[in-house]
Amino acid sequence: DAGVTQSPTHLIKTRGQQVTLRCSPKSGHDTVSWYQQALGQGPQFIFQYYEEEERQRGNFPDRFSGHQFPNYSSELNVNALLLGDSALYLCASSLAGGTNEKLFFGSGTQLSVL
Amino acid sequence: GNSVTQMEGPVTLSEEAFLTINCTYTATGYPSLFWYVQYPGEGLQLLLKATKADDKGSNKGFEATYRKETTSFHLEKGSVQVSDSAVYFCALKGAGNNRKLIWGLGTSLAVNP
Repeated sequence: DAGVTQSPTHLIKTRGQQVTLRCSPKSGHDTVSWYQQALGQGPQFIFQYYEEEERQRGNFPDRFSGHQFPNYSSELNVNALLLGDSALYLCASSLAGGTNEKLFFGSGTQLSVL
Repeated sequence: GNSVTQMEGPVTLSEEAFLTINCTYTATGYPSLFWYVQYPGEGLQLLLKATKADDKGSNKGFEATYRKETTSFHLEKGSVQVSDSAVYFCALKGAGNNRKLIWGLGTSLAVNP
């Protein structure tokens, strides 16, 4: 049973470019959350997708957008990249409505903006 | 709003030493509390959780008790191993339908043989 998979593992972009990160949730999970983890910091919640809709959003600008597909996989898009967007981007999956509040995390995508 | 305050690291211990990592929180209602661990080069993993006051979460020799009166969820282990070296995160999930996790800054633990 594959866990949460993210791609790519590493990415280097320049300021102003756009980037798309991908996530496949754990088998049986239908909800995907995205987090940004800057070096030496705890993860910061970006948004959560369920039933192909954004259900909850953290304090991130509109440059950060996402999508969830019918197979529950998800994409995170960041436009007009800034140096400060350099971070580890984590995807976590869960089962909506489940009593188990356990989130399963992927290993993340390390984004470097030069 | 909800928040989590975690003791700063890094923490360096010798093998078999006792570990405590402090975590306190601010929240309305009755949140769920979690400890996650991030081993070098790996993703975050749930270590243990507690969903109501006085619950004790435990896993792999680690324990934490949900203390409503002191708004704390301190992580403890009686005898650490080198393999416990990792970054530990305390996290909170608010009551109700709020599925967002609020995280502490993380505490790096290094265990020397």
